[in-house]
Amino acid sequence: ETGVTQTPRHLVMGMTNKKSLKCEQHLGHNAMYWYKQSAKKPLELMFVYNFKEQTENNSVPSRFSPECPNSSHLFLHLHTLQPEDSALYLCASSQEVNTGELFFGEGSRLTVL
Amino acid sequence: GENVEQHPSTLSVQEGDSAVIKCTYSDSASNYFPWYKQELGKRPQLIIDIRSNVGEKKDQRIAVTLNKTAKHFSLHITETQPEDSAVYFCAASMNTGGFKTIFGAGTRLFVKA
Repeated sequence: ETGVTQTPRHLVMGMTNKKSLKCEQHLGHNAMYWYKQSAKKPLELMFVYNFKEQTENNSVPSRFSPECPNSSHLFLHLHTLQPEDSALYLCASSQEVNTGELFFGEGSRLTVL
Repeated sequence: GENVEQHPSTLSVQEGDSAVIKCTYSDSASNYFPWYKQELGKRPQLIIDIRSNVGEKKDQRIAVTLNKTAKHFSLHITETQPEDSAVYFCAASMNTGGFKTIFGAGTRLFVKA
């Protein structure tokens, strides 16, 4: 199943590094999302894009910077992260921003040293 | 805003037994309640959903019930099998989902053979 693909699957970075997570959806959807998944906590919505326009920023620190060049691609640029930012970052898409089902990618497991 | 509580956090059952996971939500305007299953190392995937105009929905061994007055909904899995072992997330949203979806913290289900 290759509906929503994320790269890299695993990333280890130091607090001073700059890295990026990439998400691509092949479903023809118009909305894309970044979620953060930490152990024993609910999935936390970070950003929402609808037709390339950011519609939601859920009070995310500026060290996380999203980019959506088109409705099929979504990036999360990372800079000067903290160890507590270590988590699984999930990308998702949906047909429209208010439609029912979210289609998730496999996630990018981030470890900040 | 919406808040979703999910219980239990961990559930262990014998193969063939039933499993029940319960969720409560706070915003009476929520009208769409999906359930996602996340197997170890895999992406969350929608397994069943229910809308506020329906009290119960069933799909083979999986059923979901909704009590709008009490603002709680439950997932029922009958005749559990080892492949049902996973983390299950409930969620609540307004309209029909998308970026207003708020997730519970998840229930880790173990089905012992």
